[in-house]
Amino acid sequence: GDSVTQMEGPVTLSEEAFLTINCTYTATGYPSLFWYVQYPGEGLQLLLKATKADDKGSNKGFEATYRKETTSFHLEKGSVQVSDSAVYFCALFFDGGSQGNLIFGKGTKLSVKP
Amino acid sequence: DGGITQSPKYLFRKEGQNVTLSCEQNLNHDAMYWYRQDPGQGLRLIYYSQIVNDFQKGDIAEGYSVSREKKESFPLTVTSAQKNPTAFYLCASGFGVISGNTIYFGEGSWLTVV
Repeated sequence: GDSVTQMEGPVTLSEEAFLTINCTYTATGYPSLFWYVQYPGEGLQLLLKATKADDKGSNKGFEATYRKETTSFHLEKGSVQVSDSAVYFCALFFDGGSQGNLIFGKGTKLSVKP
Repeated sequence: DGGITQSPKYLFRKEGQNVTLSCEQNLNHDAMYWYRQDPGQGLRLIYYSQIVNDFQKGDIAEGYSVSREKKESFPLTVTSAQKNPTAFYLCASGFGVISGNTIYFGEGSWLTVV
């Protein structure tokens, strides 16, 4: 079945460092792909999304490109801040025809030190 | 303000009790979802509903029940049959099966068995 695999954390970086969180997926069709962010004790917020191959999603300095050839959707940011400390989830939208829902990776915890 | 409201934020349950978590949305979304989050496990789908008076089991539906009598509301009951209910529960909603549509999340409810 469809699935998402993302790199395990925790990831610890210094402020202004470059961030990459890897995400790969397995799907029978062409799903939409998402990155969500979860701050401590809160729900999930959509960070960015891409709906077709070669689309680039971007928001708040984060970017991810939908790579069909490598089935990947890696999250990147050029210069992280302490306020970016959170758990990041990669997800795909599984379209079952008349039904659909999100399938998530296990999450990657990011800690940014000043 | 538009959004998804979950209540209560924190709930304690005694062994053998049923408890109900509330989820209300005023976004006019057709689809609503319940996910369970355990540490290091990512999010797992419990139940989802694409339209009023209809819902489907997700990956871990055993020990849970839902209803969808109104478009705005999708309450989740954690029954005594759920052997390990302590977790963070997230309600979500979206415009349904179209793959590119975004799913939005509430702030979550913490359930602890005492």
